[in-house]
Amino acid sequence: AQRVTQPEKLLSVFKGAPVELKCNYSYSGSPELFWYVQYSRQRLQLLLRHISRESIKGFTADLNKGETSFHLKKPFAQEEDSAMYYCALTNAGGTSYGKLTFGQGTILTVHP
Amino acid sequence: ETGVTQSPTHLIKTRGQQVTLRCSSQSGHNTVSWYQQALGQGPQFIFQYYREEENGRGNFPPRFSGLQFPNYSSELNVNALELDDSALYLCASSPGGSNQPQHFGDGTRLSIL
Repeated sequence: AQRVTQPEKLLSVFKGAPVELKCNYSYSGSPELFWYVQYSRQRLQLLLRHISRESIKGFTADLNKGETSFHLKKPFAQEEDSAMYYCALTNAGGTSYGKLTFGQGTILTVHP
Repeated sequence: ETGVTQSPTHLIKTRGQQVTLRCSSQSGHNTVSWYQQALGQGPQFIFQYYREEENGRGNFPPRFSGLQFPNYSSELNVNALELDDSALYLCASSPGGSNQPQHFGDGTRLSIL
């Protein structure tokens, strides 16, 4: 069975500090990992996916298959980064693609 | 480009009733997925429709059913509502094919009394 674990329900940092949101997963096949973000009063939106290897809004995430992790990092947090963050996975190909398994989410608060 | 739209925004039902939730997919998207998000939890996959056929189902009982129409809009139907069905129901669409990320709607908040 596939599972996504986000161990921190709440995370608080000060503006300019580094931030890391943890995500661990268990999956027997070949996964594709995502980070979704939900800002206040907005819909859930894709932040980044591991196959793109992009940096979005200063965030990066590296898939570590050995540690089965996909932690989200940003070197200098901004107040506008305050939001709910969800880690999610799906099968990397075939008919199962797009059936996302989500973690429970981490609420990030960036203080001024 | 029109995004994913869901209706209604909020709904209140009582135990044992039936409910239909609606979703219009983003223009050009032929795949629709439905998720249930209970309070304080991440979204949970219910099922997915691709070109009007069910294309996978999560761990939900048969009283959760769906439809996809030729214009790729979709309905989620829930029969014999239970208190635990109270949740935010999210619809997401994608262009189909492989490796296409999903775009989510705002959701329908369903409350069961």
